[in-house]
Amino acid sequence: NAGVTQTPKFRVLKTGQSMTLLCAQDMNHEYMYWYRQDPGMGLRLIHYSVGEGTTAKGEVPDGYNVSRLKKQNFLLGLESAAPSQTSVYFCAITPWQGSYGYTFGSGTRLTVV
Amino acid sequence: AQSVAQPEDQVNVAEGNPLTVKCTYSVSGNPYLFWYVQYPNRGLQFLLKYITGDNLVKGSYGFEAEFNKSQTSFHLKKPSALVSDSALYFCAVRDLTGANNLFFGTGTRLTVIP
Repeated sequence: NAGVTQTPKFRVLKTGQSMTLLCAQDMNHEYMYWYRQDPGMGLRLIHYSVGEGTTAKGEVPDGYNVSRLKKQNFLLGLESAAPSQTSVYFCAITPWQGSYGYTFGSGTRLTVV
Repeated sequence: AQSVAQPEDQVNVAEGNPLTVKCTYSVSGNPYLFWYVQYPNRGLQFLLKYITGDNLVKGSYGFEAEFNKSQTSFHLKKPSALVSDSALYFCAVRDLTGANNLFFGTGTRLTVIP
């Protein structure tokens, strides 16, 4: 999707391994979000950021950490991956205006074995 | 707290027939409502949104949605379904607190039968 790039697109991890997912935007939007998508559960918010240097927990933050050192990048880290973290991860952005829409990345499919 | 519900996991419709994908919401205050579509192995694509104004919202690909405050619903509609409309559809409501994130329904898989 234009404006939001997620890397990697696919990854297989062994239980206990760590990794970082990168979300990069070129739209200069303030808000950035990490969601996970699981079958029958829709998308659930993991962590979010309302601006450079700020992060906050969402609905399902356990087992994840995030950082936003630069406005255009939002990193999602898994310190010790578990099979329950097998999911598709989406990054989304929106500006501060309340009526604007959201732009999503194309997703990262993570499998933890 | 804001939430949305999509009561149907699966909707099947014949090509050329009208389609409806249902969504109800629960919010305190005025809702900001969205519809997104997801094609296989793809991200979410924006279809339409309701913020204020006309209760009938027109969006991408010929879709429209009707905001009904008394029934707290925001159903997605299209007059004539195409096979290419087959996808996963999500209704969402915006959190009006500081996070400004979207709360999603569980999704409805639409299958258009040729």
